[in-house]
Order: sequence, then C-alpha cells, then structure tokens
Amino acid sequence: GDSVTQMEGPVTLSEEAFLTINCTYTATGYPSLFWYVQYPGEGLQLLLKATKADDKGSNKGFEATYRKETTSFHLEKGSVQVSDSAVYFCALLSGGSYIPTFGRGTSLIVHP
Amino acid sequence: DTGVSQDPRHKITKRGQNVTFRCDPISEHNRLYWYRQTLGQGPEFLTYFQNEAQLEKSRLLSDRFSAERPKGSFSTLEIQRTEQGDSAMYLCASSRTGLGNEQFFGPGTRLTVL
Repeated sequence: GDSVTQMEGPVTLSEEAFLTINCTYTATGYPSLFWYVQYPGEGLQLLLKATKADDKGSNKGFEATYRKETTSFHLEKGSVQVSDSAVYFCALLSGGSYIPTFGRGTSLIVHP
Repeated sequence: DTGVSQDPRHKITKRGQNVTFRCDPISEHNRLYWYRQTLGQGPEFLTYFQNEAQLEKSRLLSDRFSAERPKGSFSTLEIQRTEQGDSAMYLCASSRTGLGNEQFFGPGTRLTVL
C-alpha cells in the first residue's frame, strides 16, 4: 500500500537558518504530493503541492520538488523564522483516490 | 470566515458517555472527510462523504462510531460509550470535485475521555 516516511523530529534551528525536512514515499502510479503545516492547537493547512514529476511547489518561502527517481518530496526553506515553528506533514494522494496518506509529521522549533 | 468549522473545539467526557461533534464544510464543497489524530501521528482516515452519501469507512471506525451528513451540508460524528482510547483530535476536511481533491481542514475537536 501507499506510505509516506518523514524524518523524525524535532528539528531545532536558529532563526535565519536553512531548513530541510526529508520526505520519501511509496505509491503505485503517479501520486500527487503535498506538504501540510499544523500550528499548535489548529488543524492542518495546505502549504504546497506538486502533481507530477519535476514539479516544484512553493509557498511562503517554502519549496519542494517532486522527484520521481528518488521518490522524494523534501521540504526546504532558505531562512526560517520563529513563526515557522509548527508540525509539518508530508502526504500523497494516489490517482483515483480521494483519501491522502499522511506521514507522521516533523516538528520544527525555531529559536530567536 | 468561509473555512471549515468544527464544534466544539474541546470536549471532556467520562468513559461510557456518548459524544457528538459537528463539522460545517466550505459551502460549495461536496466532499467531507473525518480523520482522527493522536499525538505524534498524522491524521488517520475515518470516513468520507460525497454529498449525503457515506462512500467509504475505515476499519478504524468501530461500531461505536457513526457519522451522518443528512442534507449534504454539515456532518456529525458520534461516538457511543466512549473509551479512554478514543481520546484524540478529530479533524474534519472538505473538498470539491474537480479541484485536484485538495482538502481544506477545520481546526479540530480535541476529545479527552477520563
């Protein structure tokens, strides 16, 4: 079945540091890939997505590129802020399905 | 605010009691989903509606859980005879056909069973 593996957290960074959160997946066919962010006490918000190989999703300074050859969708940001502290979830949606498969989430803590 | 809303945001109950949660999706969205999320985990799918029809249920959804969407708008999730293991965040999401199935999540209802 489909699965998503994320790097374990927490990831702790100083403000303005470079961020990478790794995500790899297993799926049949060509899934769509997503990153969601969850701030404390809130639901998930879609951060960015990519629907086919080599697509780059981007939003609010975050980027992720759909790499079919390595089955990866790593999240990056060049300079993190304290306000980026949250839990980040990688997810995939296989073609023909309406139900995404989520990773376990990676907590990001950014210190001033 | 035209996002997904959930009520209540927090619920504390005693073991054995019944609880009901409500979800109001984005108005033009025809699909509605319920998920459960426990600490340190991603959302786990429970059930999904297209309009008023419940089209899929997870094996996680025991007989004590029931969900309805009577008019294809808001939905309720009821848990009967709650157990401590039901303590979790219950998330609702909605989406619209033809928009890549992008789901929009509500803020969740946090259930604590004592």
